[in-house]
Amino acid sequence: SQKIEQNSEALNIQEGKTATLTCNYTNYSPAYLQWYRQDPGRGPVFLLLIRENEKEKRKERLKVTFDTTLKQSLFHITASQPADSATYLCALNAGNNRKLIWGLGTSLAVNP
Amino acid sequence: NAGVTQTPKFQVLKTGQSMTLQCAQDMNHEYMSWYRQDPGMGLRLIHYSVGAGITDQGEVPNGYNVSRSTTEDFPLRLLSAAPSQTSVYFCASSPPGLPDEQFFGPGTRLTVL
Repeated sequence: SQKIEQNSEALNIQEGKTATLTCNYTNYSPAYLQWYRQDPGRGPVFLLLIRENEKEKRKERLKVTFDTTLKQSLFHITASQPADSATYLCALNAGNNRKLIWGLGTSLAVNP
Repeated sequence: NAGVTQTPKFQVLKTGQSMTLQCAQDMNHEYMSWYRQDPGMGLRLIHYSVGAGITDQGEVPNGYNVSRSTTEDFPLRLLSAAPSQTSVYFCASSPPGLPDEQFFGPGTRLTVL
């Protein structure tokens, strides 16, 4: 079956370290993949989008990689801060349309 | 810009009651969608619209109706609420062109007793 998997366990890291979150997928050939942040009681907020022909995308302290051979995306937050604590969701398009399939998210806690 | 707004923020219904969740955006976005988010299930697409007068079903459309008479508004109707519809509902919109980020509303937490 088609599915997306993210780190199921919460990730706890020390402030200043790099957080690395994983998004694996099977049976899809997405044209692009997106990462969102979600805080408790709020809607998801878009962070980064990476296309299938891009290996890496950066935005400030955020970096996303996309390996279509491994069917995996990695999301990195460098110099992490307590304010980065949230749930991070990955989403990919399942076909030639805007419909997105979502992972369950990974909870990140950055400890001061 | 207010972005994507949703009302109400919280709602409690009894089984069998009907109601409409409101969603509006002021960004002139063509694409709008409704999701539900449940623990262990993630975000699932209920219905979506690519423009005024055009709607289509998503992954879990049963028990819900939508209409899109204007670019700004995309209400979600629960015809006869069931406990299985207890969830957090998010409306999202995005501008024309593929691909693009989705802008989410703050959500409506619905409980059906």
